[in-house]
Amino acid sequence: DAGVTQSPTHLIKTRGQHVTLRCSPISGHKSVSWYQQVLGQGPQFIFQYYEKEERGRGNFPDRFSARQFPNYSSELNVNALLLGDSALYLCASSLVGGAGNEQFFGPGTRLTVL
Amino acid sequence: GQQVMQIPQYQHVQEGEDFTTYCNSSTTLSNIQWYKQRPGGHPVFLIQLVKSGEVKKQKRLTFQFGEAKKNSSLHITATQTTDVGTYFCVWMDSSYKLIFGSGTRLLVRP
Repeated sequence: DAGVTQSPTHLIKTRGQHVTLRCSPISGHKSVSWYQQVLGQGPQFIFQYYEKEERGRGNFPDRFSARQFPNYSSELNVNALLLGDSALYLCASSLVGGAGNEQFFGPGTRLTVL
Repeated sequence: GQQVMQIPQYQHVQEGEDFTTYCNSSTTLSNIQWYKQRPGGHPVFLIQLVKSGEVKKQKRLTFQFGEAKKNSSLHITATQTTDVGTYFCVWMDSSYKLIFGSGTRLLVRP
């Protein structure tokens, strides 16, 4: 079974641009979460989706949005990029989401904003 | 709001020495998970603790959840170079927001 996959692996953008990151969960997993990890810090929660509905949102501006598709894959969109958006963006899937569910992380997308 | 502190921030040990990292919360946690992230890698699930006073072991790793469910620890006996990485405690609040502790970075001298 394939693990969580993310694309692209690396991305370079300039300030003000828009970016879309993609995530495919493990087969059978219905929940996807997104995290931002700045170098030297722990992952920061952005969103959790379960059954295509937003279930949780972290303290990120409205420039960040996401959605989950019927096949449970997900996209994270970031508008009007800022230098501070440079980070590793991690996607994690779990069977049903919620407390107590093991999160399986993908390898991440490294975003650099110039 | 809920505050959880993870200490120490860094730990540099000689191979064979023991290592412990602690998470302390200002409020009761429903459960806690531990993850390991190798340098350049992504977090990998290690364990989940749910019950008050729970202790779980995985080979050289021992995980504890405090009686009041406000603290947790991860202890590694006789560290090896393969233990290098950052260890995070993780919990979920009532709004499904997953929160990572600040992490403890373990370095092991061979």
